[in-house]
Amino acid sequence: GAGVSQSPSNKVTEKGKDVELRCDPISGHTALYWYRQRLGQGLEFLIYFQGNSAPDKSGLPSDRFSAERTGESVSTLTIQRTQQEDSAVYLCASSDGGLETQYFGPGTRLLVL
Amino acid sequence: AQKVTQAQTEISVVEKEDVTLDCVYETRDTTYYLFWYKQPPSGELVFLIRRNSFDEQNEISGRYSWNFQKSTSSFNFTITASQVVDSAVYFCALSEPYSGAGSYQLTFGKGTKLSVIP
Repeated sequence: GAGVSQSPSNKVTEKGKDVELRCDPISGHTALYWYRQRLGQGLEFLIYFQGNSAPDKSGLPSDRFSAERTGESVSTLTIQRTQQEDSAVYLCASSDGGLETQYFGPGTRLLVL
Repeated sequence: AQKVTQAQTEISVVEKEDVTLDCVYETRDTTYYLFWYKQPPSGELVFLIRRNSFDEQNEISGRYSWNFQKSTSSFNFTITASQVVDSAVYFCALSEPYSGAGSYQLTFGKGTKLSVIP
């Protein structure tokens, strides 16, 4: 079956602009995660969605970051007023429930000039 | 303090050599999960293995094997007879689902870049 998909693959933007990143989870997966990977670093947790429960936003680095997910479908991660330090690969993962293994998408490479 | 430490930043081996990637973790929970993921140059993380804290049995899958030792808080990964296709960054990760936060996020180490030279 289809894996996690993300779009766009690459995004170049100017400092101060807003960007929206999209994640399509594996069909039927109730849990969805966003992570950020800065160059040469491990992944940092950003936000977690589980069904219709309130999301865990504890990893969001600032109020410029927000994410939405409707039910068990697509999620969008929005970064407002982008800064150069936001340049990173943003990875989405989904799992069949919170305790299950997370499967990752290919990521969106964001470059803020 | 880092919760997941991968002390080896980069390793280079010659093809057919065996190589072990180290992972040391820190948790106060009695129930937790450990993972290894592979990130090839294409960038996508590939799931390799998941172990829960109650299962210390070593596991072998083809050329891959994992040694989980709770006494030393380590979950090491060995590739036997390495191949060029094994060249990638390997991440160890920890999940503490009962830590009280109600989230099942993974805490990753910084990764070990493995280069297998033909």
